[in-house]
Amino acid sequence: DVKVTQSSRYLVKRTGEKVFLECVQDMDHENMFWYRQDPGLGLRLIYFSYDVKMKEKGDIPEGYSVSREKKERFSLILESASTNQTSMYLCASSKGRYNEQFFGPGTRLTVL
Amino acid sequence: ILNVEQSPQSLHVQEGDSTNFTCSFPSSNFYALHWYRWETAKSPEALFVMTLNGDEKKKGRISATLNTKEGYSYLYIKGSQPEDSATYLCAFPTGTASKLTFGTGTRLQVTL
Repeated sequence: DVKVTQSSRYLVKRTGEKVFLECVQDMDHENMFWYRQDPGLGLRLIYFSYDVKMKEKGDIPEGYSVSREKKERFSLILESASTNQTSMYLCASSKGRYNEQFFGPGTRLTVL
Repeated sequence: ILNVEQSPQSLHVQEGDSTNFTCSFPSSNFYALHWYRWETAKSPEALFVMTLNGDEKKKGRISATLNTKEGYSYLYIKGSQPEDSATYLCAFPTGTASKLTFGTGTRLQVTL
């Protein structure tokens, strides 16, 4: 079974802090994704990566950056956390084109 | 941003009822249509990936149909059970075709 893990289930940070969210997958998937989920807005893509060191902006990249130094790991970085980044963050991975995505358990981030 | 619309937004049925909901998507440049189930406190899990017009897929009591010419897919649940309670998401590949745009989901609640 594909396993996607995220570093924390719950995280509380203060405004202005730098925040790292880590995601690891163990099935050699080339594609990895970061989403945020907010009530009434569904899953929105922040960034994705289709190969090591490659990244593309999703629909809402402002205020975020990403890093993919190894194929299995995709990090989401909030350079200076703000209260409007309080959300559920989900990581996913997939193989090839059109194929299903496998999701991690999510990180619920609260920025105070 | 590509528009993927789902209806209804929420649905409340009794155990044993059959139900269905709709996903609408742009009919041009079709690659595939994904359905996911997202149970509370769990990760979204893929139900179906559909690629051919007229395709029909089935998994237990859940089935889905696809009409790529008119841009819609139906998800059916026969004899709903409380464990079917979840948010059902559809998603449409865009851009590189490994990236998905999600609808806002249909939240299903099945009561005894």
